[in-house]
Amino acid sequence: GQQVMQIPQYQHVQEGEDFTTYCNSSTTLSNIQWYKQRPGGHPVFLIQLVKSGEVKKQKRLTFQFGEAKKNSSLHITATQTTDVGTYFCAGPNSGGGADGLTFGKGTHLIIQP
Amino acid sequence: NAGVTQTPKFQVLKTGQSMTLQCAQDMNHEYMSWYRQDPGMGLRLIHYSVGAGITDQGEVPNGYNVSRSTTEDFPLRLLSAAPSQTSVYFCASSYSGGVGEKLFFGSGTQLSVL
Repeated sequence: GQQVMQIPQYQHVQEGEDFTTYCNSSTTLSNIQWYKQRPGGHPVFLIQLVKSGEVKKQKRLTFQFGEAKKNSSLHITATQTTDVGTYFCAGPNSGGGADGLTFGKGTHLIIQP
Repeated sequence: NAGVTQTPKFQVLKTGQSMTLQCAQDMNHEYMSWYRQDPGMGLRLIHYSVGAGITDQGEVPNGYNVSRSTTEDFPLRLLSAAPSQTSVYFCASSYSGGVGEKLFFGSGTQLSVL
């Protein structure tokens, strides 16, 4: 079945440093979604990328979708304590959206003040 | 709107007990699903439904049953709880389950099986 791999598993940064998490799929994806989960909370949708090579920005967050639509990245510039949490990428299962999403294992972002 | 509501928030069971995790949404979403989250494993799909009367299995369905009698509700049943089912369970919904639709998650149920 489809696999979505995410690295790193944990990332410690000093507040103000940049952060990047990478997502790689074993298959070509029609789209990729990113979610954020705060400690003790539930996943919350951040963004969806659809087009090959697409780049989207949300304030300090930059999302990229690879040209081959098999990889993606999330980059946070100048991290703040509010960025703490786990970031997941997710791709649709092979049967389409109704078959659910396959999530990466997530990257835990830990920020030291 | 409450969104996706899960009850209970916490539950402790003994091995062999049965229970039902409740999930309700008030967004008129056709698609509902259950995920479990384990440390280092991410979120794994248990069961899903594309509408009332229709359910299907996800990646890890063994030990769980679901039914969908109404659009609003999608309960998850553990027939005979096992320690391996200790996990955090999330219910999630989307408008129709179409490709690219974002999922709305409930706040989760933390289940411990002793």
